[in-house]
Amino acid sequence: DAGVIQSPRHEVTEMGQEVTLRCKPISGHDYLFWYRQTMMRGLELLIYFNNNVPIDDSGMPEDRFSAKMPNASFSTLKIQPSEPRDSAVYFCASSPPILGQTEAFFGQGTRLTVV
Amino acid sequence: SQQGEEDPQALSIQEGENATMNCSYKTSINNLQWYRQNSGRGLVHLILIRSNEREKHSGRLRVTLDTSKKSSSLLITASRAADTASYFCATAGAGSYQLTFGKGTKLSVIP
Repeated sequence: DAGVIQSPRHEVTEMGQEVTLRCKPISGHDYLFWYRQTMMRGLELLIYFNNNVPIDDSGMPEDRFSAKMPNASFSTLKIQPSEPRDSAVYFCASSPPILGQTEAFFGQGTRLTVV
Repeated sequence: SQQGEEDPQALSIQEGENATMNCSYKTSINNLQWYRQNSGRGLVHLILIRSNEREKHSGRLRVTLDTSKKSSSLLITASRAADTASYFCATAGAGSYQLTFGKGTKLSVIP
C-alpha cells in the first residue's frame, strides 16, 4: 500500500477563496482523522470518521470548516471562506479498527498558506 | 487542549550520546504512543506502550510509562545524526480512538 495520500502538498490561496484538501486513507482502515499543525497550537484534532461517518467534529474551529467522507477511500476538508489564520499544515491519518491498540498512519500533509 | 506535554522543548546532543525526552499527561489513558516527525514530513509511529505496561524496547528506543505519575519517557541510545527530528507523545483514552498530541521535543544530533 502507498500509505495515506494527501493532495495537494502545497496550496497558496487568497483570503476569501475556497480551499479543498484531499485524503486517501490506507485501504482497510476504518478510522480517518484530520489534524492541523501550527507552531502556536501544535497538532490539533479537527474531526474523525469511523466507517465514513463523522464521530467527533468538536475540534473544527468554525463553520467555515467542513469535512466529508463520501466513501471508504476518500475524504475532503474544505475551508470556505479561507482566512490568513487558517495557514497551517493539515494532516490526514488513518487507523485500522482495533480499539486503542494501534498507531495512526499519517500522510505527508498539505501546507496551506492563505495570503 | 493538549493532553501530553513533552519536555524539554528542544534538546541538542552529540552523536553517540543518549537522548531522553519526557511526556506528562493529565487523564487516564489506554495507551501512550511516541511519534517522530522529520522537517516538512508527516508523523511516523515509533512505539506504543499500553497502560498496563511499564517498559518497552524497540531497537535503540526504550519507553517507560508511570501511570501513577502520569508520565512517560523516551530514551534513544547511541544517537545518530539521522535521529534529528521532532518527537511527540500521544495518548489514547479508554474507549477512544482519538490521539491527543503534545507539542513535541525538537532533537538535534550533532555529527
